Amino acid sequence: NAGVTQTPKFQVLKTGQSMTLQCAQDMNHEYMSWYRQDPGMGLRLIHYSVGAGITDQGEVPNGYNVSRSTTEDFPLRLLSAAPSQTSVYFCASSYGVDSSTDTQYFGPGTRLTVL
Amino acid sequence: GENVEQHPSTLSVQEGDSAVIKCTYSDSASNYFPWYKQELGKGPQLIIDIRSNVGEKKDQRIAVTLNKTAKHFSLHITETQPEDSAVYFCAASLRPLVDSSYKLIFGSGTRLLVRP
Repeated sequence: NAGVTQTPKFQVLKTGQSMTLQCAQDMNHEYMSWYRQDPGMGLRLIHYSVGAGITDQGEVPNGYNVSRSTTEDFPLRLLSAAPSQTSVYFCASSYGVDSSTDTQYFGPGTRLTVL
Repeated sequence: GENVEQHPSTLSVQEGDSAVIKCTYSDSASNYFPWYKQELGKGPQLIIDIRSNVGEKKDQRIAVTLNKTAKHFSLHITETQPEDSAVYFCAASLRPLVDSSYKLIFGSGTRLLVRP
């Protein structure tokens, strides 16, 4: 298993540009999520999905869109990038929501800089 | 919603000493508390977790304690080694879920440095 993969690893955007961060997992996990990590602020949940076709907002959803057309993929879209979106983005997946444990498997991250 | 506070933000210890990281949570319904370790340039990895029906859990040099009444939980690392140097995150959640409103909330992280 490759686990959770993310592309690209690094990205530089100009203000106003759009892009999609890709995330895929091959563990047949129902739950997938996107976090952003900023210095001193830990990991903040952007959007999450409890299964294909179902998405919901996390703590900081503004400026980001997601979709979940398949179990494996959970892309994160920035429609109009802003400098405040400069961050490291992590995708994570875990077993179904009826599981009593919650081991999140994180991808390697995407470091995004918005100029 | 849930809010998790973590202290200290940085911790420096001598190799062989113990390290303790503390977290408090706000939502008394939370019943699942994992700890993650993040090494430089990598995503976080689960190192230990505890459920609210247990007061303490150990795994070799790592232990976690939970005080439900006070709503705080702690990570204890004994006999620290240089490879323990990393950022540690606590988190709180409700598992299993009663509906799809799922949020795993993380603390702000502790940077642990173990000096040789």
